[in-house]
Amino acid sequence: QLQLQESGPGLVKPSETLSLTCIVSGDSISSGSYYWAWIRQPPGKGLEWIGNIHYTGSTYYKPSLRGRVTISVDTSKNQFSLKLNSVTAADTATYYCARPLRGWLQFSSWGQGTMVTVSS
Amino acid sequence: QSVLTQPPSASGTPGQRVTISCSGSSSNIGSNTVNWYQQLPGTAPKLLIYSNDQRPSGVPDRFSGSKSGTSASLAISGLQSEDEADYYCASWDDSPNDLYVFGTGTKVTVL
Repeated sequence: QLQLQESGPGLVKPSETLSLTCIVSGDSISSGSYYWAWIRQPPGKGLEWIGNIHYTGSTYYKPSLRGRVTISVDTSKNQFSLKLNSVTAADTATYYCARPLRGWLQFSSWGQGTMVTVSS
Repeated sequence: QSVLTQPPSASGTPGQRVTISCSGSSSNIGSNTVNWYQQLPGTAPKLLIYSNDQRPSGVPDRFSGSKSGTSASLAISGLQSEDEADYYCASWDDSPNDLYVFGTGTKVTVL
């Protein structure tokens, strides 16, 4: 059974870099043609797509975050990661990693989410 | 600010049918498929409908999706107390935006 688990610091200082990892178990990140994703949700607000990555390294990013965001994959560890630099309070959110049902946008498997607060 | 507009709230009594709308444009719903997600309080979202009207395995047939032009709808028939949740539509938005957009979200309350 596929499981995704986000990990990383729960508190990041303004202007620093937010780094999260999604550990995948129950399936190989290299199997299929999935584009694995990061999605976030500010407290009390809606969902926001951050970007996707294929195990080959091909990525898609939300245009407004491009330049600050990097999603990478480590097939040897069966995980993928998110780095968001120059964070501000607006980046405070619950961050989810997800895998689509097929292809790249029908997110059927989700991690439980990890809350990241940007504060000094 | 999302380009997919949903009503902030909807409600019904147990057994009723509730419909949630999702209004977009030619660059998103008008030219791409729509997915729907259910988010119960304090939990991760769950894929409810994909490709406009397809249900993933395990999703009850009380949930149905449709799309027409630049709008989409999610219907919940035979409303149950456990359906009380937030619901989001989502679709790809074509160039020049090139991003996956979620709707503004609808809170469904079971009276």
